[in-house]
Amino acid sequence: KNEVEQSPQNLTAQEGEFITINCSYSVGISALHWLQQHPGGGIVSLFMLSSGKKKHGRLIATINIQEKHSSLHITASHPRDSAVYICAVRKGAQKLVFGQGTRLTINP
Amino acid sequence: DTEVTQTPKHLVMGMTNKKSLKCEQHMGHRAMYWYKQKAKKPPELMFVYSYEKLSINESVPSRFSPECPNSSLLNLHLHALQPEDSALYLCASSQVGTQYFGPGTRLTVL
Repeated sequence: KNEVEQSPQNLTAQEGEFITINCSYSVGISALHWLQQHPGGGIVSLFMLSSGKKKHGRLIATINIQEKHSSLHITASHPRDSAVYICAVRKGAQKLVFGQGTRLTINP
Repeated sequence: DTEVTQTPKHLVMGMTNKKSLKCEQHMGHRAMYWYKQKAKKPPELMFVYSYEKLSINESVPSRFSPECPNSSLLNLHLHALQPEDSALYLCASSQVGTQYFGPGTRLTVL
């Protein structure tokens, strides 16, 4: 069993829909990261969380440390949000353990 | 400057070639990372340098040889690679917490 599990693996939605991607982890962590990867490779760090909730534009990330669970929400989704979203947990100072990613497609 | 740059963007090499990948950052970060990413898979950590010293080697074959000449530069020297080493190679840097990723080098080994 992977230390970091994401669901769903694939998600297709219509423009404007509210999107939720879930991440569960089974190890002790110092922080949890949400990353975005567009086709072509580059990875962008969206959020780093150790507790509570963070918001940036239409993106919201939450974490429940007791339940070892995090969610990434996208409000008013847009085709440009189409990408792979990766949950990663930080073990110790430097090492990230990655989930398998969620491939999101937003249709116009 | 919040950018990590990588060169080249694409590299095709034969199994007997020697080549190098280069990564550069000018954010003053003291930790730098090499990752390997196969298609439709998450990145896999290869090496971590902290304060220019190798701190993590994830049991990577010796045909991959990292080098950190100074705090801004990270190289990955490649020699006698196999076709299964074809992948996207990502560099990242961090100071505390957030890792900043470069755009990657797409490597094809023939």
